[in-house]
Amino acid sequence: GEDVEQSLFLSVREGDSSVINCTYTDSSSTYLYWYKQEPGAGLQLLTYIFSNMDMKQDQRLTVLLNKKDKHLSLRIADTQTGDSAIYFCAEIVTGGGNKLTFGTGTQLKVEL
Amino acid sequence: KAGVTQTPRYLIKTRGQQVTLSCSPISGHRSVSWYQQTPGQGLQFLFEYFSETQRNKGNFPGRFSGRQFSNSRSEMNVSTLELGDSALYLCASSIGGGQPQHFGDGTRLSIL
Repeated sequence: GEDVEQSLFLSVREGDSSVINCTYTDSSSTYLYWYKQEPGAGLQLLTYIFSNMDMKQDQRLTVLLNKKDKHLSLRIADTQTGDSAIYFCAEIVTGGGNKLTFGTGTQLKVEL
Repeated sequence: KAGVTQTPRYLIKTRGQQVTLSCSPISGHRSVSWYQQTPGQGLQFLFEYFSETQRNKGNFPGRFSGRQFSNSRSEMNVSTLELGDSALYLCASSIGGGQPQHFGDGTRLSIL
């Protein structure tokens, strides 16, 4: 079945890199996504990766996918205070239509 | 290009009432999905509509229903409201086929 897990909290210093991790159980994942949620707002799509890719880079964001271990990570380079938010990974599985299954979310706190 | 628009932003209801939430997708997007976000259960999929047809449904009681119009706008209805229905309801639109879903800012529903 579908289950997506993330660690709850991550604290980093401004200027450092942040790495947010996610594990999923369904091997039929087709797309994997990262969303950002700021207080009082909806979800902002950050980036996504197709399951036949290992890595995707988009400016300060790098997504790594390890299909063997069912592990997804999001690296944010040069983390800024404006990056403080909750980050969700999500998957779409084959035959699931457009249904997104979300992780629990990781609260990223960026300290000066 | 306008994003996903959800109305109203905030709503207060009492137990037993019913409520209708509205979602206008990004122009050209035919898939609209609804999600419920609560502190206890996280982000959960409610249902997806594509070209006016419900294509997928999550594990919610029949009190939760939806529809989609020919212009792709969607409404979600919850009848006989319960305290546990208090949540942020998020709508997302996409072109379909697992392509990225873009979210609105949500409707915050509070049940007294």
